[in-house]
Amino acid sequence: QVQLQESGPGLVKPSGTLSLTCAVSGGSISSSNWWSWVRQPPGKGLEWIGEIYHSGSTNYNPSLKSRVTISVDKSKNQFSLKLSSVTAADTAVYYCARGPPTTMVRGGSFDYWGQGTLVTVSS
Amino acid sequence: IQLTQSPSSLSASVGDRVTITCRASQGISSYLAWYQQKPGKAPKLLIYAASTLQSGVPSRFSGSGSGTDFTLTISSLQPEDFATYYCQQLNSYPRTFGQGTKVEIK
Repeated sequence: QVQLQESGPGLVKPSGTLSLTCAVSGGSISSSNWWSWVRQPPGKGLEWIGEIYHSGSTNYNPSLKSRVTISVDKSKNQFSLKLSSVTAADTAVYYCARGPPTTMVRGGSFDYWGQGTLVTVSS
Repeated sequence: IQLTQSPSSLSASVGDRVTITCRASQGISSYLAWYQQKPGKAPKLLIYAASTLQSGVPSRFSGSGSGTDFTLTISSLQPEDFATYYCQQLNSYPRTFGQGTKVEIK
């Protein structure tokens, strides 16, 4: 059973950089899957941030692309999110999730999710 | 691709048949998934490829549709089904979600 666990600071100052890590257990990050970040502002819907493959290939949401970096650390079986120049609008619960295998150019699903971590942007 | 769910919320009773609709702004074949989210919890995958039930999900959940119009049906609503439901398209980037449908107790 694959498990994902987000970790990182719960409070970030405006204009700072949000940094989160997702640790993967019960499976290998070097599997054939994409690994995604999704966020949810309080009381609102889900927004896909981006994804990474263990080779380092990434896809980002154009709405956030200029501020987002997703990286992978195969030795630690984890992947990370950095979001720069944050504002109050970036306050959200951030989830990591396992996406489809890369052999599926289209389709699949996000079948495993972390529990989520709330990040508040405030001075 | 924009996904529009309807209704945004609904009230129903235990045992009711519930149908939620997801409409895509352009054709996405059958590359649609449905998730259930309870307060304070992560989304849970229910259905992928528009109509394939994820392992372990009760058979009262079903999905249908292709192209631009999709439905999620709960055949007999159970107390544990009161939650918010989201559709997601995996046809193209960026991956997008519907705005959610909240199913409340009548």
